[in-house]
Amino acid sequence: DAGVTQSPTHLIKTRGQQVTLRCSPKSGHDTVSWYQQALGQGPQFIFQYYEEEERQRGNFPDRFSGHQFPNYSSELNVNALLLGDSALYLCASSPIGWESYGYTFGSGTRLTVV
Amino acid sequence: AQKVTQAQTEISVVEKEDVTLDCVYETRDTTYYLFWYKQPPSGELVFLIRRNSFDEQNEISGRYSWNFQKSTSSFNFTITASQVVDSAVYFCALVMNSGGYQKVTFGTGTKLQVIP
Repeated sequence: DAGVTQSPTHLIKTRGQQVTLRCSPKSGHDTVSWYQQALGQGPQFIFQYYEEEERQRGNFPDRFSGHQFPNYSSELNVNALLLGDSALYLCASSPIGWESYGYTFGSGTRLTVV
Repeated sequence: AQKVTQAQTEISVVEKEDVTLDCVYETRDTTYYLFWYKQPPSGELVFLIRRNSFDEQNEISGRYSWNFQKSTSSFNFTITASQVVDSAVYFCALVMNSGGYQKVTFGTGTKLQVIP
């Protein structure tokens, strides 16, 4: 049973460019959340998708946007990249439902903005 | 507002020593979950344990044990007889139900180095 799959593994972009990161959730999971983890910090919640809609959002600017597809996979888009956007971006999937909470994380995409 | 504090930034122990990782949380909610995750160099966060706010029983899983004390808002994690494979960054996280949605707050992590 495959867990959460993220692509690409590593990415280098230039300041001002746009980037798209991809995530395939664990089988049976329909909710996808994205996190940004700066070096030496804990993951920071970006947003969560369920039923192809953004359900909640953390304290991130509109440059960060996302999408969820009918097969539950998800994309994270970041426009007008800043040097400060350099981080490990983690995707986590879970089944919907408060009582059954349990996140499965992918290995992340390491984004470097130069 | 909710907050998770992991005051220990880095800990080094010699293999076979016991080590305790501290986690202190803040929340006004009475219903919440606490988690511990392990992050090896590969980057993936590995789930270790979940504890809800109504269950203060301590838990032991092999060499791992957790001490949850609501009176001190702490959820500490002890590794007994540490091994080199335990070297990783460990995160404590607080999850609450906010208006039907889950709100997740992570601590800043404790980097554990087990020296052979």
